[in-house]
This record gives sequence, structure tokens and C-alpha cells, in this order.
Amino acid sequence: KQEVTQIPAALSVPEGENLVLNCSFTDSAIYNLQWFRQDPGKGLTSLLLIQSSQREQTSGRLNASLDKSSGRSTLYIAASQPGDSATYLCAEQGAQKLVFGQGTRLTINP
Amino acid sequence: NAGVMQNPRHLVRRRGQEARLRCSPMKGHSHVYWYRQLPEEGLKFMVYLQKENIIDESGMPKERFSAEFPKEGPSILRIQQVVRGDSAAYFCASSPGTADSPLHFGNGTRLTVT
Repeated sequence: KQEVTQIPAALSVPEGENLVLNCSFTDSAIYNLQWFRQDPGKGLTSLLLIQSSQREQTSGRLNASLDKSSGRSTLYIAASQPGDSATYLCAEQGAQKLVFGQGTRLTINP
Repeated sequence: NAGVMQNPRHLVRRRGQEARLRCSPMKGHSHVYWYRQLPEEGLKFMVYLQKENIIDESGMPKERFSAEFPKEGPSILRIQQVVRGDSAAYFCASSPGTADSPLHFGNGTRLTVT
């Protein structure tokens, strides 16, 4: 059974700090791992997608890594800004469907 | 090049009524997924459909919920005799169907049952 866990559930840091969000998954046969952002009451914005053959992906201040052997992915956010405040969701895609973690609610304090 | 379109964006129903949620996939996508997000929770898989076929409905409640994706027209998620616990955001995603192709999500329908 596919399960995805995100730690911590909530994180509050001062503006300008670098931070890491963690995601662990149980399915060793994943096709890809995706990170999303969700603002309150809104839909999902895809941030980064890492194919199973890749180790990491970068977009601007964001870097996501994937370690299939340990079943872990991290999302690194550099030089955080108040506009980064949102819930970040990790999802792993297996053969049939995308399975989400519960999310990490991130607050960046000015 | 429109993305995944869901309508309505907001839907209010009284207990006992029926709710019908629509999803038009991206052009060229023949696979549709429905997810439910309860307040303060993550997204839970409900059902995966191809045109005219249900592939995986392991996340669908056993009663009152049904989904279809006809040959023509949008995918429909139907909830009969709604109860307050059905209040949630319902998200639809589509993909072209290859094993590693990413899913593209719509903006969701927020159902409120009064």
C-alpha cells in the first residue's frame, strides 16, 4: 500500500532563512515524485517533478531531491520570503495513481 | 491551451440533495482522477477513469458516490443525498495516460452542505 508522510506538519521561520521540508514514501516502484504548493482555499500549483531516474530538480530558489533507496524526498527553499507561506504537498506517483502526504503548513514571518 | 476545467467552483447543497461536479480534462488527455480534500487534511484519492471505463475506484465511498467519464463530454462526480460530512474540496486531475506522465490538476469544486 502506498503511503506518504510529511514532516513537520507545520513550520514557522523568519524571513530570509533556508529551510527543508521532508517527505517519505513506502512505494519503492514509484514513477515520479512531485511537490505542490497550495494556498488557503485554492487549488494546487505544481512546483517540481522528479522522475524516478533523477536525483534532483531545481527551479529558482527551490530544489527537490529524491532518494528511492531510502524512500525520501526533500524540498529545499532558499532565502525564504513571506510570499512562500503556504501548504506544501508531496505526492508520489505509482503505477495507477498519485498518493499525497498530509502536507507541511509553512509560515514565513517578516 | 486550457488546463483542467472544473465547474462549478463553489456548490452549496442542502442535506439530502444531489451534487454533480464536472471536470473537463486537458486537451489530449483521456485519463481522469478525482480527489477529495476534507478541511485541514491532505488530498485523498477517490477514483481513476478512462473514457467509458472505471479503472480504480478503491477510494470511493461505497454508497451515494458515483463517477463517470463518457465518450463525449466531461467527467462527472455525482453525490446523492448529500450529508454535512461530504463538505470538502473536490479536485480533478487529468493525464495522457502513460505510466510516468504527471497529473495536471484543476482548481477544484468546493462543496458546502448546509
